[in-house]
Amino acid sequence: AQSVTQLDSQVPVFEEAPVELRCNYSSSVSVYLFWYVQYPNQGLQLLLKYLSGSTLVKGINGFEAEFNKSQTSFHLRKPSVHISDTAEYFCAVRGGSQGNLIFGKGTKLSVKP
Amino acid sequence: DTGVSQDPRHKITKRGQNVTFRCDPISEHNRLYWYRQTLGQGPEFLTYFQNEAQLEKSRLLSDRFSAERPKGSFSTLEIQRTEQGDSAMYLCASRGTFEETQYFGPGTRLLVL
Repeated sequence: AQSVTQLDSQVPVFEEAPVELRCNYSSSVSVYLFWYVQYPNQGLQLLLKYLSGSTLVKGINGFEAEFNKSQTSFHLRKPSVHISDTAEYFCAVRGGSQGNLIFGKGTKLSVKP
Repeated sequence: DTGVSQDPRHKITKRGQNVTFRCDPISEHNRLYWYRQTLGQGPEFLTYFQNEAQLEKSRLLSDRFSAERPKGSFSTLEIQRTEQGDSAMYLCASRGTFEETQYFGPGTRLLVL
C-alpha cells in the first residue's frame, strides 16, 4: 500500500532564506507525486507534480521539487522564501486505481521577517 | 470557469442531527472525490465518482455517510446522526478524464457540538 511521510511537522525560516520540505513515499507501482499548499481556512492548491520525465519539476511561486527514485523522496525547495509563503504544505501520491490521493500529515512553513 | 465550489463553507450542528454538503465541480470534469481533513492531518479519501457512478468508497465512509452525484454534475455528501468525531473539514475535488491534477474546493468546515 502506498504511503507518504513528511518528516517535519513545522519548519520556521527567516524571510529570503532557502527552505526544503522533506517528503518520502512508499509505493510498489509507478508513482505520481504532488505537492499542494493550503492557506488558512482554504482548500488545497497544486504547487507542482511529477508524472514522468525530468526528475526536477518546477512549479508555481518559485517552488521546485526533485523526484529521487532510489531514495523514494520528493523534497520541495525554494531558494528564497517570502512572508506570503507561510502556509501548510502537503505531499501526496496517487493511490488506488481510481486516482485518489494519499496525503502526508503536512508541514507548516512559518516565514519570519 | 470558477473552479470547484462547496456549500456551505461552515456548518455548526448538534450531535444527532443530519447535515448535507454540496460540491459543484469544474463543469467539464467527470471525476469527483470527497476527502475529510481533521486537525493536524492531511486529507483522507472518502469516496469517488465517475460521472454519476460511485465507484469507490473508503473504509472511513461509515454507514451514516452517503454521497450522491445524481446527474454527473454536482455532488452531495450527507452525514446522518452526526457525532462529535465527525467534526472536520470536508473537501471536494474534481479532475478531467485525461489529467492527473485534482482541483480542490474551499471545503466545508463542520463542527458537531
